Amino acid sequence: DQQVKQNSPSLSVQEGRISILNCDYTNSMFDYFLWYKKYPAEGPTFLISISSIKDKNEDGRFTVFLNKSAKHLSLHIVPSQPGDSAVYFCAAIRVSSNTGKLIFGQGTTLQVKP
Amino acid sequence: KAGVTQTPRYLIKTRGQQVTLSCSPISGHRSVSWYQQTPGQGLQFLFEYFSETQRNKGNFPGRFSGRQFSNSRSEMNVSTLELGDSALYLCASSWETGYFSYEQYFGPGTRLTVT
Repeated sequence: DQQVKQNSPSLSVQEGRISILNCDYTNSMFDYFLWYKKYPAEGPTFLISISSIKDKNEDGRFTVFLNKSAKHLSLHIVPSQPGDSAVYFCAAIRVSSNTGKLIFGQGTTLQVKP
Repeated sequence: KAGVTQTPRYLIKTRGQQVTLSCSPISGHRSVSWYQQTPGQGLQFLFEYFSETQRNKGNFPGRFSGRQFSNSRSEMNVSTLELGDSALYLCASSWETGYFSYEQYFGPGTRLTVT
């Protein structure tokens, strides 16, 4: 049972344009969401997070939007840069579980073309 | 501050053997989690340790085990290796002072190949 889904395995955008990566979840108990970026041969790197009490969180070029009623979150990267090319994972956690159990999506490979 | 380190980075083992992977968390981090990454399944949670105690466990068979030492370093062990255990094993640490920190910092992983 895949509780966190990233339905687009890959995305290609032009440098300078907006990249939108999507993530859906099924478990309404999730109340904290995170995005990680992963380059080959490296571990995932934390990018940005959002609590379920918010619908938007912004950090520089990265903005995460959360739509609780649709159980959907998205990561916007504006403007996209070639260095952003990587695999992006969304992850969710139940705060009440008080453990480090992150549930990850399968990842979306972003390619930013110069 | 040094990041999460994992050793070894690459490992080749034969079916039926056992393997031990090591993880040193960021200094001051007391929670260590382990994940398995495979092309088909993405990142799957294995288990988490905090103050030398296993706090949560994922849906993996008993062949997968782990432990944490008093200095927060952690090891995971896989016994009776199977071909399907070939994966990237990632360790992540996070900082806690009574209130859980959800942001986990990952090491580079150990690439295990079972032949």
